[in-house]
Amino acid sequence: AQSVTQLGSHVSVSEGALVLLRCNYSSSVPPYLFWYVQYPNQGLQLLLKYTTGATLVKGINGFEAEFKKSETSFHLTKPSAHMSDAAEYFCAVSAPGSQGNLIFGKGTKLSVKP
Amino acid sequence: EAGVAQSPRYKIIEKRQSVAFWCNPISGHATLYWYQQILGQGPKLLIQFQNNGVVDDSQLPKDRFSAERLKGVDSTLKIQPAKLEDSAVYLCASSLDTGRAEAFFGQGTRLTVV
Repeated sequence: AQSVTQLGSHVSVSEGALVLLRCNYSSSVPPYLFWYVQYPNQGLQLLLKYTTGATLVKGINGFEAEFKKSETSFHLTKPSAHMSDAAEYFCAVSAPGSQGNLIFGKGTKLSVKP
Repeated sequence: EAGVAQSPRYKIIEKRQSVAFWCNPISGHATLYWYQQILGQGPKLLIQFQNNGVVDDSQLPKDRFSAERLKGVDSTLKIQPAKLEDSAVYLCASSLDTGRAEAFFGQGTRLTVV
């Protein structure tokens, strides 16, 4: 069975500081991996995804994530936080051939201090 | 391109009442998902449709939840009778197919059962 663990339900950074949101997964096969962002009272928006190929994936709004199979991780980073990055971030996995069902982590709420 | 439309945005009902949510996916998207997002948790898949057929409803509480997707386009999710623990945000998402295509989410319907 697949599962996703997001370390830290709440992360706070200063504006301009590095953002690092951690995600570890459990899967019997190499999964597809996703990061979604959710702003208050909004749906989820895809930030980036990894399916195959290059393990460093670049997404929207300056975010990127690296798939590390040996560590079963897919951590999300951004070099310099902006106030507008304050939101909740969800890591999700999908097994190839699983009909596209997404298994989500519990989310990490990012706060950005001025 | 119009996104996934959901209505209503908010709904408050008393326990044991019934409620229905509506979703209109992105035009041309064959796959439609309903997710339940309880406060403080990641979304959990309730049901997945491919065109108008059910692909996965293993986590749908079938004694009280039902969903349909007539003509393979719009979908409705119904709860009857509602329980307090059904209070959550109900998210609809759609994707081109069940493969690696990314899922696009609607803004969700926030249900409060009192």
